[in-house]
Amino acid sequence: KAGVTQTPRYLIKTRGQQVTLSCSPISGHRSVSWYQQTPGQGLQFLFEYFSETQRNKGNFPGRFSGRQFSNSRSEMNVSTLELGDSALYLCASSRQGGDTQYFGPGTRLTVL
Amino acid sequence: GENVEQHPSTLSVQEGDSAVIKCTYSDSASNYFPWYKQELGKRPQLIIDIRSNVGEKKDQRIAVTLNKTAKHFSLHITETQPEDSAVYFCAASRRNAGGTSYGKLTFGQGTILTVHP
Repeated sequence: KAGVTQTPRYLIKTRGQQVTLSCSPISGHRSVSWYQQTPGQGLQFLFEYFSETQRNKGNFPGRFSGRQFSNSRSEMNVSTLELGDSALYLCASSRQGGDTQYFGPGTRLTVL
Repeated sequence: GENVEQHPSTLSVQEGDSAVIKCTYSDSASNYFPWYKQELGKRPQLIIDIRSNVGEKKDQRIAVTLNKTAKHFSLHITETQPEDSAVYFCAASRRNAGGTSYGKLTFGQGTILTVHP
């Protein structure tokens, strides 16, 4: 099976812009979780989608949002970008939402 | 919410030695504990996991132990090799009472393991 894929792999944006990241899960996986990885804060949970519904949300401001489509592909959006949003954004898929999560390669976002 | 503490933050060993990384968690309802290895510039990869109904699990040179009473779990790597050099993350999550597992992993801060040839 193909692994989790994420596009784009790299993004450079300026403050105030918005960005959309995409994640395609492993075939048959219905849950997609998103994480932010930074050197200072480590890996932090953003949110999880299952069957097109957000089931769980981390402690991030409302500028961070997401959605999931009927084919389980997920997107996350960050509006009004801040310098502190520069990070590696990872998505992970799993069959039902818990247990083994398989990570994508990540999208490296740089905000200037 | 859940909080996971991981120690040490860096670990340097000689090839062939053993390495041990320890994590503690705060939420007694947590019942699933995976370990991920992340090489530089690559995605985190699951190396081993354990559930709360098991005290120990082993896979070749890698083992994980869980102490539910003390709320800590550890990763043990024996006969370390240079290719084991990476950042290792522990994580915790819980299955809800209804049996549904929500896809939220709470991670430790990571341990940079360096294995010297």
